[in-house]
Amino acid sequence: AQSVSQHNHHVILSEAASLELGCNYSYGGTVNLFWYVQYPGQHLQLLLKYFSGDPLVKGIKGFEAEFIKSKFSFNLRKPSVQWSDTAEYFCAVNEDYKLSFGAGTTVTVRA
Amino acid sequence: DVKVTQSSRYLVKRTGEKVFLECVQDMDHENMFWYRQDPGLGLRLIYFSYDVKMKEKGDIPEGYSVSREKKERFSLILESASTNQTSMYLCASPPGGEGPDEQYFGPGTRLTVT
Repeated sequence: AQSVSQHNHHVILSEAASLELGCNYSYGGTVNLFWYVQYPGQHLQLLLKYFSGDPLVKGIKGFEAEFIKSKFSFNLRKPSVQWSDTAEYFCAVNEDYKLSFGAGTTVTVRA
Repeated sequence: DVKVTQSSRYLVKRTGEKVFLECVQDMDHENMFWYRQDPGLGLRLIYFSYDVKMKEKGDIPEGYSVSREKKERFSLILESASTNQTSMYLCASPPGGEGPDEQYFGPGTRLTVT
């Protein structure tokens, strides 16, 4: 099974700060990569995904992620966070038709 | 608008009870998944189904079973609930019949076993 590592368990930052969340996965050939977000009390929803092509992908709400194949990484970034970005973020990697998820990173943005 | 619904948002059961968690999708998808979400562990796949009456074990199937009699409905069954099954249970379904794709998640059922 794929192994997905998210480097930070909890990140606390102030509004307007930049955010970068790390994600690494175990080698498995061709991969499809996802970042999901869960806002307090809401469903898990897709932020962005990478299947092929440009390794820099843009998602909703100003998020982007960069796929670096040589490093088996898919890090999530946002240049300037808002209080509303407070949520839990999950990196996921496909394996056949299944997704393997990382442990999640809780992001708290202070106003 | 795609929709995955789960029968209960909160459930409290006693140890040893048989528990049914229901999931319904209105998207005519073939694939459906059950995960449990625990702090510090992320989401872990319990079972999935790629067609009616078809099921496959995920990473942590022990203590669980599933049923898929109709395409739109996928049930997770705890045969004899235990306290270590206290968790958030999420149902999900991807849009495509072939290949991996994003998954649409239900709102979750928070199960407490006492």
